[in-house]
Amino acid sequence: GAVVSQHPSRVICKSGTSVKIECRSLDFQATTMFWYRQFPKKSLMLMATSNEGSKATYEQGVEKDKFLINHASLTLSTLTVTSAHPEDSSFYICSAPPSGRAGEQYFGPGTRLTVT
Amino acid sequence: AQSVSQHNHHVILSEAASLELGCNYSYGGTVNLFWYVQYPGQHLQLLLKYFSGDPLVKGIKGFEAEFIKSKFSFNLRKPSVQWSDTAEYFCAVSGGYNKLIFGAGTRLAVHP
Repeated sequence: GAVVSQHPSRVICKSGTSVKIECRSLDFQATTMFWYRQFPKKSLMLMATSNEGSKATYEQGVEKDKFLINHASLTLSTLTVTSAHPEDSSFYICSAPPSGRAGEQYFGPGTRLTVT
Repeated sequence: AQSVSQHNHHVILSEAASLELGCNYSYGGTVNLFWYVQYPGQHLQLLLKYFSGDPLVKGIKGFEAEFIKSKFSFNLRKPSVQWSDTAEYFCAVSGGYNKLIFGAGTRLAVHP
């Protein structure tokens, strides 16, 4: 089946630094990818839709300048958390829809970000 | 606005017990409905989905869900749970642009 990978799986950074998280679709092309944030014991919150070759679409309340998204190719989207603060610590998950399966998503394993 | 409500946040069952997890959604148009499962330490996986047709859908590992349009519900069921079903279960709705809106999740613990 289709696989989505994320790198790194876990990252610790200091306040004020930036962190880049990669999301790759390994055996299919994805013109669209999605980035979610999962808080402890809570659901996944959709942050933004990453669009290949164009700007990302952010959900209401998500800071565009803080969470930079780049969809450089049909298999790679990156999320950069800029000037990270402890409140940005969270579990970030990406997903990609397989072609022809409306609404269905393949999810990456997630990236645990800890900002100290 | 779209929303998904899962009634049970934490469910504890013994093996062989029956399971039903509630899910209600709010959306004005045609929806696609999903149940995803997250086993401990693993990524989210699709359990089953409803797009149209027979409102009773069967998924993997013996799970099924029934879409009741009049009640805006899509409850998940399994007649006899196993210890390996211990996981977190998420109901989700997709109304367009492939975007998924998730419920808060239900953490299921099955005791042997």
